[in-house]
Amino acid sequence: AQSVAQPEDQVNVAEGNPLTVKCTYSVSGNPYLFWYVQYPNRGLQFLLKYITGDNLVKGSYGFEAEFNKSQTSFHLKKPSALVSDSALYFCAVRDWANNLFFGTGTRLTVIP
Amino acid sequence: GAVVSQHPSWVICKSGTSVKIECRSLDFQATTMFWYRQFPKQSLMLMATSNEGSKATYEQGVEKDKFLINHASLTLSTLTVTSAHPEDSSFYICSAWDINTGELFFGEGSRLTVL
Repeated sequence: AQSVAQPEDQVNVAEGNPLTVKCTYSVSGNPYLFWYVQYPNRGLQFLLKYITGDNLVKGSYGFEAEFNKSQTSFHLKKPSALVSDSALYFCAVRDWANNLFFGTGTRLTVIP
Repeated sequence: GAVVSQHPSWVICKSGTSVKIECRSLDFQATTMFWYRQFPKQSLMLMATSNEGSKATYEQGVEKDKFLINHASLTLSTLTVTSAHPEDSSFYICSAWDINTGELFFGEGSRLTVL
């Protein structure tokens, strides 16, 4: 069965500092991994995905994620955090039936 | 880019009434749509998979008679919360597959409050 773990409920980072939001996964077969962001009372917005190819994936708003097969991780990163990046971030894995399974989410707060 | 529209975005209703939420793919055809429920400070829970022209596939623990899903066309799926009660209050989000690109797009969500 597919599963995703986000070990941190909350991440705080100062504006301008690099940020990392952690995600590990468990999947049979090749992993299809995604990151989404959710602002209050809004739906999810796609940030980036890993299907195949380069381990470093670049996405929207300056975010990137690194796929690490040996560590079964797909951490989200950004070199310099903005206050507007404060939101809820979800890691997800897609199964063979195209269902998405989400992690529990990590709330990122960027402190001015 | 592709857009998925949900309506209404906010709804308040009395206990015992039924509420319908619409999910539309605006510029692509979606043979498959998904309905999620999100509780406060929690992740999204997949409720059901909606397939155009056939019955929805419900996840374990989701009441079929409570949450009626209809996917009558390639651009519209509806979720009807029947005889709503306060415990049904939640944030409901739909998503739709663009069959041409393989991308999954999410609606903006619908917040249901049952008094």
